Amino acid sequence: GENVEQHPSTLSVQEGDSAVIKCTYSDSASNYFPWYKQELGKRPQLIIDIRSNVGEKKDQRIAVTLNKTAKHFSLHITETQPEDSAVYFCAASPGNTPLVFGKGTRLSVIA
Amino acid sequence: DTAVSQTPKYLVTQMGNDKSIKCEQNLGHDTMYWYKQDSKKFLKIMFSYNNKELIINETVPNRFSPKSPDKAHLNLHINSLELGDSAVYFCASSQSQGNTEAFFGQGTRLTVV
Repeated sequence: GENVEQHPSTLSVQEGDSAVIKCTYSDSASNYFPWYKQELGKRPQLIIDIRSNVGEKKDQRIAVTLNKTAKHFSLHITETQPEDSAVYFCAASPGNTPLVFGKGTRLSVIA
Repeated sequence: DTAVSQTPKYLVTQMGNDKSIKCEQNLGHDTMYWYKQDSKKFLKIMFSYNNKELIINETVPNRFSPKSPDKAHLNLHINSLELGDSAVYFCASSQSQGNTEAFFGQGTRLTVV
């Protein structure tokens, strides 16, 4: 089955700096790669996703890149703000199985 | 209107007891899931149901039994609770299996004492 590795497990950045979180996946059939944000005590919520026919996608300060050959994808957050502090999860699925999540990255944005 | 709702939000119970968590979605989705999030925040799939039928049952003890009376509901019953069952349990739903957004419920924090 699919296996998703996520790095780093914790990340601290100064407010205004960029943050990058990286994930690798094992199943070359995976074609859907969402990113979820989970604030303390809350549910995971989708912030951006990308499909395998696209190499990059942006939404304001958030961008995701996908390298199918290398089987890795990354989340980029620019101009970080304190409210970006949360746990971020990457996930992957080939479409016939549930999403498999990475182990999460705890992002702390220091004001 | 909450898209995916689960009850209760908190559950504290003694070892050996049996408890249930209920989940309902009003999104018209075909697929529902139970995920377990442990103290290290790992989100691990437990069960997946598609149109009331069990599709995936990961390596979960048979003390855990999901039941789907209709495609809008997926309940989780746990027998003979153990200390290691303490975690946050999330119900989720999606339009289809895996390749679309999963919407999560607010979670149930289960504490076994």
